[in-house]
Amino acid sequence: DPKIIQKPKYLVAVTGSEKILICEQYLGHNAMYWYRQSAKKPLEFMFSYSYQKLMDNQTASSRFQPQSSKKNHLDLQITALKPDDSATYFCASSQGTASAETLYFGSGTRLTVL
Amino acid sequence: GEQVEQLPSSLIVQEGASVLINCSYTDSASVYFPWYKQEPGKRLQFIIDIRSNMERKQTQRLTLLFDKKTKHLSLHITATQPGDSAIYFCSANMNYNQGKLIFGQGTKLSIKP
Repeated sequence: DPKIIQKPKYLVAVTGSEKILICEQYLGHNAMYWYRQSAKKPLEFMFSYSYQKLMDNQTASSRFQPQSSKKNHLDLQITALKPDDSATYFCASSQGTASAETLYFGSGTRLTVL
Repeated sequence: GEQVEQLPSSLIVQEGASVLINCSYTDSASVYFPWYKQEPGKRLQFIIDIRSNMERKQTQRLTLLFDKKTKHLSLHITATQPGDSAIYFCSANMNYNQGKLIFGQGTKLSIKP
């Protein structure tokens, strides 16, 4: 019974297009995150949000924009897609943002950019 | 910045054997070390964690050892079962980073029945 729902599970896009990755959590958590896992790199942190406010952004490109319409939603908009953006994008959440919080992950959206 | 390294990158053992996965980190500001397991096509699943003020933590068949001086952790899994086959990730979080985990490259564990 997944409590963190990511949609879609798979996504294929063409270079230059724009896509939105959806994430909803039903754990009652106050913090949400995006991580990316590609074939070439370890799982890497992208963004953190707490109470719908951006806490940390480690993404170099402005093409990646998180969007939080509700406390339990954190979508990821990616514009001007490039083949290098191909990866699995994981959403995660935690109760708070203390340094020892356990993160719970969604099952990911696998994005392929052609 | 913080770097986390895991060894070995892959491991194949017979069911029932014990395994050891090693993890090292570079930044002494790291204070929290959660481990995750990822089965093929599935979400990362939290399995065990340890804080920097502890040396050892055990839960069921998992034992996590932490050495602050050498910046080294090791995860010991006993009596392995086919369901333990997965990629295991070590991660580190610094005391001022909110939910920003730095992950190792992962260790792929395969259990032969």
